Parts: sequence; structure tokens; C-alpha cells
Amino acid sequence: GESVGLHLPTLSVQEGDNSIINCAYSNSASDYFIWYKQESGKGPQFIIDIRSNMDKRQGQRVTVLLNKTVKHLSLQIAATQPGDSAVYFCAETSAGNMLTFGGGTRLMVKP
Amino acid sequence: GAVVSQHPSWVICKSGTSVKIECRSLDFQATTMFWYRQFPKQSLMLMATSNEGSKATYEQGVEKDKFLINHASLTLSTLTVTSAHPEDSSFYICSARDRRLANYEQYFGPGTRLTVT
Repeated sequence: GESVGLHLPTLSVQEGDNSIINCAYSNSASDYFIWYKQESGKGPQFIIDIRSNMDKRQGQRVTVLLNKTVKHLSLQIAATQPGDSAVYFCAETSAGNMLTFGGGTRLMVKP
Repeated sequence: GAVVSQHPSWVICKSGTSVKIECRSLDFQATTMFWYRQFPKQSLMLMATSNEGSKATYEQGVEKDKFLINHASLTLSTLTVTSAHPEDSSFYICSARDRRLANYEQYFGPGTRLTVT
């Protein structure tokens, strides 16, 4: 999910379907990646993280995949629920330095 | 655990006045705190990194004399927007890193909505 101008890309899914949100990161030296969920008017909420020595990590209903070859990160949400509707950001960091956020993707779940 | 609070949650001020936003780590000590701003439908942009007891490091393009950051303790950092103008209206978010942890995770506050009229 990269932003284009001021318009967040939007992913619309039916409740119960699986969602896949993508992110292209920029720094090949990044060694730690995080997915955040941000609901309207609130701060980002940690979802799941992954280190560069892994290519997959699973949480509860969420899975993060990392492809370092093409610098691509994805977040998979299983059985998407209305409460999953939010903007999702990926973030990268190298050696504990500052987080760099991606542009964000808005997930809309249709009941 | 790992709760970060911000105060106020929203503020409206007149152009030319100054506004102070507080960021507190409630149940952990934060070696480093970060300040971000976010415009509607955009991502978070880092403004500055604040280390306890030292001067903040500002990102390129962020005026340090306009956005004053004070990190006086391991649980409190403040951002003061001086001589605010309408273009400073934004959503300001802080985050904190737990000094006990070796990971890089940042815990985010709920944000402060600033509107300058």
C-alpha cells in the first residue's frame, strides 16, 4: 500500500474473507518491520512485527510475510471482521533507528 | 502494559498563540520519545526524536524554534507549537520506546488534534 498523492489506496473486502495488504519498503538495510493499525482519530496500534532474518510470522488471525529480495512486506488478515476496518501502515527501521512509515492502506470491511 | 498517553486529546487555539502537548509513558520508562505529525489521509511524518536529558534531534524541514521539545524525565516529553498558524493544524502523535526492551518497538499515544483558527 503506497499512497498516491493525498488519496489512500483502499481495499474493500467482504466480512469473513481474507485480506492482503501490501507494502513496498525503501531501505534494503532495514532489519525490523512492523504493521500498525490506525482507526480514525486515534494513534497507531501495533499489530505484528517481523525481523529481517525471518520471512513469515503468524499472530492471531494475522500473518506477515517478508520478501527481502524485492523489498516487499504483506499483512494477511484471516476472516476479516468489521472491527478490522482501519488504515494500515507498515513501518521499517534499521538498527533501532527511527521508524519510517509507508503511505498506508485503508481497509473497508463490508458486512 | 506499555501505555502512552497524550494531553490534550484536542485543542483549538488562535493564530499566534502557543500550544503545549504532553506525552507520557504510564507504565514504563522511555529512553526515547518520538513526535510525529499526520495530515488527513496521509502517513505519519517524524518531526523529531527526543532523548531524556538531551536536546531533541529534528528531521529536515522541521523548525526547532517553532516546535520546542522538552524531554525532562523518562516518562514525559512535551511538544510546544509556538506562534501557531493555521498551517500547523494537524494530528500530532507521540511514541515512546521502552528502555528495558532490546527490540525497536515504539508504543504510540492516542494523538492530539490541533486546530489553529
